[in-house]
Amino acid sequence: AQKITQTQPGMFVQEKEAVTLDCTYDTSDQSYGLFWYKQPSSGEMIFLIYQGSYDEQNATEGRYSLNFQKARKSANLVISASQLGDSAMYFCAMREDTGKLIFGQGTTLQVKP
Amino acid sequence: DVKVTQSSRYLVKRTGEKVFLECVQDMDHENMFWYRQDPGLGLRLIYFSYDVKMKEKGDIPEGYSVSREKKERFSLILESASTNQTSMYLCASSPPRGIYNEQFFGPGTRLTVL
Repeated sequence: AQKITQTQPGMFVQEKEAVTLDCTYDTSDQSYGLFWYKQPSSGEMIFLIYQGSYDEQNATEGRYSLNFQKARKSANLVISASQLGDSAMYFCAMREDTGKLIFGQGTTLQVKP
Repeated sequence: DVKVTQSSRYLVKRTGEKVFLECVQDMDHENMFWYRQDPGLGLRLIYFSYDVKMKEKGDIPEGYSVSREKKERFSLILESASTNQTSMYLCASSPPRGIYNEQFFGPGTRLTVL
């Protein structure tokens, strides 16, 4: 069965430092997509970054990068130079062939000044 | 900009009431989804729809039904609300299946059933 696992319920990081949020997945599909979303306290889900299973390069979007290790089935999110506004809940998700997204449990990140 | 709107940000209902949660998207997306979000469980898919009048059960459809009479609107119905349906409900839409189909989310409805 398809599954996404985020093992870090909560994380702290000092402002301006980098932080890695872990995500592992389980699928038997050859073609799939991996997403990270950010959910601030206001509740809206904000798309951050996408990685396709056939992409050879790790995805990057500004301060966000995705450390994709296909053999290990991991898709960790790296946030460089953390800012106070990065404090939020972060969700890793996997898209199935049907278009459905399967979400992990989420990781709450707090950035300390 | 894609916009997904939900009819209410906060809703309080009583046990046994019939509850309608409305979702509207303005980007002509074929796919629409309803999730519920609970602490420690992430987002779980309730129902989704690939087209008008089509619906598919997600992972937790029990106690819910949906309606999609128009492409832009996807309604979630709690036939007889119960306290264990107190949760945050999120609607999303996306283009058809493809290599890349980001889902766009609405702001969420926080439902409390008393």
